[in-house]
Formats: sequence, structure tokens, C-alpha cells
Amino acid sequence: DSGVTQTPKHLITATGQRVTLRCSPRSGDLSVYWYQQSLDQGLQFLIQYYNGEERAKGNILERFSAQQFPDLHSELNLSSLELGDSALYFCASSEGQANEQFFGPGTRLTVL
Amino acid sequence: AQSVTQPDIHITVSEGASLELRCNYSYGATPYLFWYVQSPGQGLQLLLKYFSGDTLVQGIKGFEAEFKRSQSSFNLRKPSVHWSDAAEYFCAVGAREYGNKLVFGAGTILRVKS
Repeated sequence: DSGVTQTPKHLITATGQRVTLRCSPRSGDLSVYWYQQSLDQGLQFLIQYYNGEERAKGNILERFSAQQFPDLHSELNLSSLELGDSALYFCASSEGQANEQFFGPGTRLTVL
Repeated sequence: AQSVTQPDIHITVSEGASLELRCNYSYGATPYLFWYVQSPGQGLQLLLKYFSGDTLVQGIKGFEAEFKRSQSSFNLRKPSVHWSDAAEYFCAVGAREYGNKLVFGAGTILRVKS
């Protein structure tokens, strides 16, 4: 158990819908990262927040957005969902900005 | 562009045999290097990390890795594999200059035969 929690574990929805994935970092960690794992793209970095502020952006679609709240939990919002958005979404956290990242169990999103 | 190559998609070893998983990276900055393991349906567990210093690093579950700057490699090794080591292994690279995001290799699936 890494100490990073993600909810929900599974999510099944339809095309065009919007979903929110939630992540709670390890106690004391200020950085939160979101990654997408799919069969064709592998593990891809989406976005990073540090203490509430966006710090780095990767291959994140405009339909996707994220935020980190004052209690340091983070949410990833996915809208206008397409079949290709079906993937495993991981959250990771680290103490600072140059430390090892600890991953949560992931949320498996299925878009039908 | 930053990239990580794991040349072996699948590797099969016998239980008790030694293991080496290869990882090569291309990075324009001083890298941090990691190995993660993922069991089916599970998240990623950190096996070991290299930030600086001794280029041979020890990790959990008896794994070790050696950083070779001249070869841009960070290969993972284990002297004697156990059946429970069957999983998918990912090499990852990060750097402060790139905001500490991790770039992952495509993964190597390890099968252990008894």
C-alpha cells in the first residue's frame, strides 16, 4: 500500500459524458501527478500540481482538466468522453518536486 | 525529446535463474532513474531509484540496478528469480529540468517458469 488513494476504482460511462477522478496523496506529500495508461500509448504523463499550483503539463487533452485543492487532494476531470479515453488513470504523489513518486491503485475508465 | 527504451517486451526465465531487464534512455538533462513493477490489475510499486552517488543501487525484493552514464543505461538485475516476481516492469526517467514528470518505457513482461 503506497498511501495514495484513488476513487473510484472502476468507472463505466458513455461517450459524450463527463467524469471526475479523485486522488488523495500520501500524508505530507505536496506534489500530485496524473498519468494515463493505455494499451496503445503506454504510460503517459498528463499533469502535475505542487501545493495547489499547476507545475507541469504533458500530453493532456483540452477536454481534460485537473486541480489540486487546499487539502492537497486532486481531481482529474474528463469531459466529452470518447471511446479512446478508455484507460487506466493513475495518480502519484511525491514529497517535493524532485523525489520518487508513489502511485495509487488507479481508476479504470471504460467509455462505451 | 526524452525517451526510454526497454528492448524486451517479454522475457521468460526459470525459477531460481538470474534476471536482467534492460533499459536505455535518451535525456537532455541529468536524469533520475526508477524501476517500477506492476502486477495484473494493480498499481505501480517502486522497486528502486537512482538520483546520484553510487551507481549500483539496491531495491526491494532483492532487486538491484546499475546506472551506466556512458551507455545511457539503467539495467535491473536479480540473482535468483521467484515465481512471485512474474509481473510487468517499467523503467522510468525524470529530471528536475523537465518538472520531474516521469517518462516511462513500454514495459517488459516477465514470465517465470517452474
